[in-house]
Amino acid sequence: SQQGEEDPQALSIQEGENATMNCSYKTSINNLQWYRQNSGRGLVHLILIRSNEREKHSGRLRVTLDTSKKSSSLLITASRAADTASYFCATAHTGTASKLTFGTGTRLQVTL
Amino acid sequence: GAVVSQHPSWVICKSGTSVKIECRSLDFQATTMFWYRQFPKQSLMLMATSNEGSKATYEQGVEKDKFLINHASLTLSTLTVTSAHPEDSSFYICSARVGAITGELFFGEGSRLTVL
Repeated sequence: SQQGEEDPQALSIQEGENATMNCSYKTSINNLQWYRQNSGRGLVHLILIRSNEREKHSGRLRVTLDTSKKSSSLLITASRAADTASYFCATAHTGTASKLTFGTGTRLQVTL
Repeated sequence: GAVVSQHPSWVICKSGTSVKIECRSLDFQATTMFWYRQFPKQSLMLMATSNEGSKATYEQGVEKDKFLINHASLTLSTLTVTSAHPEDSSFYICSARVGAITGELFFGEGSRLTVL
């Protein structure tokens, strides 16, 4: 299976703290994407990082990619209660056309 | 961003009946849509890739006769769960892509199926 793994599985922090989630994958990729899912809802795209990029920023989000280690991290700075959700990494693997493979997800809880 | 509409958002049916879920791209044309299944607190598992005007491509282990996919137009794909059983109860999510084949996906809001 090409499914990536994320850790931690669950993360609970207080508002204002930073949250870091990690994603590891197995085979070479074209790009890696992060998505957010509120409970019982669809997924929302957050950020895409290409295989030749090492770091990318979008607002309070910072994503890193280390292709040598086949890993990525998502940092949410100055977290808010509204950031409470599940976060998934998804990989577009070389040679698998347009499919995305989703990681196991991290459930983030931000408390006041 | 692009909008994908999924309907119904939830459905309850009796065992043995069939249920159809629709996925529409509202403001763009989607030659390819993807159907995922998600169990509680788990990740998304790709079931099949829906191709406009041709047969869907199913992932290994997914029964094509059980999960019928039709992509008759550039804005509509349907998933029909045939002869549903309680083990088919799940959250089904469709998605579509705009632009590059490795770009971001736009997701519908999902359909929660409960089979009694």
